[in-house]
Amino acid sequence: DAGVIQSPRHEVTEMGQEVTLRCKPISGHNSLFWYRQTMMRGLELLIYFNNNVPIDDSGMPEDRFSAKMPNASFSTLKIQPSEPRDSAVYFCASRRLDTQYFGPGTRLTVL
Amino acid sequence: KQEVTQIPAALSVPEGENLVLNCSFTDSAIYNLQWFRQDPGKGLTSLLLIQSSQREQTSGRLNASLDKSSGRSTLYIAASQPGDSATYLCAVMRGSGGSNYKLTFGKGTLLTVNP
Repeated sequence: DAGVIQSPRHEVTEMGQEVTLRCKPISGHNSLFWYRQTMMRGLELLIYFNNNVPIDDSGMPEDRFSAKMPNASFSTLKIQPSEPRDSAVYFCASRRLDTQYFGPGTRLTVL
Repeated sequence: KQEVTQIPAALSVPEGENLVLNCSFTDSAIYNLQWFRQDPGKGLTSLLLIQSSQREQTSGRLNASLDKSSGRSTLYIAASQPGDSATYLCAVMRGSGGSNYKLTFGKGTLLTVNP
């Protein structure tokens, strides 16, 4: 089992550019989460999918952020346009029973 | 709104020492509490999960306790090793309103075990 896979691992972009983060959950897990981690705010839930359907997007900071899950094995988090305050580590996690399994994260730097 | 606090923010101990990490939460209506480990540049790894009806869970040298009424949990690490050096995060899952998925995290305790 390869675990949760995220790409890219690092992304450096300029303000105003579009950023797309990708996630492949563990096969057979039907729940997927996107989190953001910063020093100031810690880990925050952005959006939660169950069976590919967005259930809770109340953590998405603003309309510049969007997430999709077109099938059970792939999800994207898009930021358009990006801003320096979006700089953070973004984690994807999938769930089996009550345990969430985290990917290695994408470190995003917006200049 | 649930708030999770971890004290201390950082802890440095010599190898072999037993240690306790603390976690407190403001809303006792939880479904479960989980302890995670995060290594630098990596994701989180689940260590222990305690259901709201349980008092403790053990895995190897780790023991986690839960006192729901007082809003507290502790993670006890016995005979610490340099390989235990990491950030330890506590997270609680809401127990009502169909929200048995939402984890609220503390900011973690950075543990350094010195050889």
